[in-house]
Amino acid sequence: EADIYQTPRYLVIGTGKKITLECSQTMGHDKMYWYQQDPGMELHLIHYSYGVNSTEKGDLSSESTVSRIRTEHFPLTLESARPSHTSQYLCASSEYRGIKFEAFFGQGTRLTVV
Amino acid sequence: SQQGEEDPQALSIQEGENATMNCSYKTSINNLQWYRQNSGRGLVHLILIRSNEREKHSGRLRVTLDTSKKSSSLLITASRAADTASYFCATVDNYGQNFVFGPGTRLSVLP
Repeated sequence: EADIYQTPRYLVIGTGKKITLECSQTMGHDKMYWYQQDPGMELHLIHYSYGVNSTEKGDLSSESTVSRIRTEHFPLTLESARPSHTSQYLCASSEYRGIKFEAFFGQGTRLTVV
Repeated sequence: SQQGEEDPQALSIQEGENATMNCSYKTSINNLQWYRQNSGRGLVHLILIRSNEREKHSGRLRVTLDTSKKSSSLLITASRAADTASYFCATVDNYGQNFVFGPGTRLSVLP
């Protein structure tokens, strides 16, 4: 089991609400990622971070924002949720470099905006 | 942009049969990895093969890599119903940047 946790697992929220999806890891990994995935579809990288105070946008444009104030914590925020944000959001972490450069994933947050 | 492409998109087999999934990519890589995702869950790392390796085994899994064709295959032998999941390949470039995932193969193993 990977030591990376996402909360909540499921979230149903109304349009226009502000939400924060939490992600924490206890492996001391420098690099963290957020992916967006529609059911049964491919993963799209929306944000990543090399370490504290580092945040970068991914390949898929997203209206969400992220922060990295602590190594273990990488929350994702949507200021005003819309139905188009309905999706599954997956958080992952990895060593920055090294021989065993594999990604560890959380269980995901399934977001529904009504 | 996504560079890994798996085929087939979906595969349905009987328990006990072998399942083969293929992955193609476009740029130079440092390594290629395969992940498994059960429905509604996160991805779990299965196996990593480096660019200078041609074949790797782990239990019932066998991965091959052909860098000249920019392709890899994942073979699951003697499949079980519990192998039902989506399987994704992911590439890591030589700069050790981000993981680039393909669209995945949805495997159904029928009892």
